[in-house]
Amino acid sequence: EAQVTQNPRYLITVTGKKLTVTCSQNMNHEYMSWYRQDPGLGLRQIYYSMNVEVTDKGDVPEGYKVSRKEKRNFPLILESPSPNQTSLYFCASSFMWSPNTEAFFGQGTRLTVV
Amino acid sequence: GENVEQHPSTLSVQEGDSAVIKCTYSDSASNYFPWYKQELGKRPQLIIDIRSNVGEKKDQRIAVTLNKTAKHFSLHITETQPEDSAVYFCATNQAGTALIFGKGTTLSVSS
Repeated sequence: EAQVTQNPRYLITVTGKKLTVTCSQNMNHEYMSWYRQDPGLGLRQIYYSMNVEVTDKGDVPEGYKVSRKEKRNFPLILESPSPNQTSLYFCASSFMWSPNTEAFFGQGTRLTVV
Repeated sequence: GENVEQHPSTLSVQEGDSAVIKCTYSDSASNYFPWYKQELGKRPQLIIDIRSNVGEKKDQRIAVTLNKTAKHFSLHITETQPEDSAVYFCATNQAGTALIFGKGTTLSVSS
């Protein structure tokens, strides 16, 4: 089944403890991205990647890192999480290197930083 | 950067009525305009999209119109049903690299 898989689905952590949210797609998509969703603010792009080893900042990159060592995986790393990073996170992928085709979203990761 | 304004933020209609959601964008180079539906507790899913070389596209009860000169595009839902209740997001591509979303519209359809 074609899908985007994120893990974990839920995570509660403490301030400053490094964490990684994994994202994997099995559709051979070129473009992958991370979004955070907060009430009243919609979906804001954190980072995106147009190809292996090519990543760039979105609108809200502060406090996050990403890597794209393989085409299928695009992990989101929070080196030192803070409470303002409490949010619902979505990974998405699309076929072309440029985001002009359908974006397929993962199930979401609800992160709470205390 | 690209700015996508979406209105209204909430919309309540009676079953069978039509619903219209409007978005404006700033980047004249944008050429792809998708709409996503997010049901409660679920992931966003594409419901319809339009490209800059087309002015209107329809798929059963939903349609999207695009006015490139005015830089706005709209989602039209006719004969609304309770299962249309969800959050709807417009989006557009910025400089061919980033997909920027509006803040969303919460649509409530009462029967």
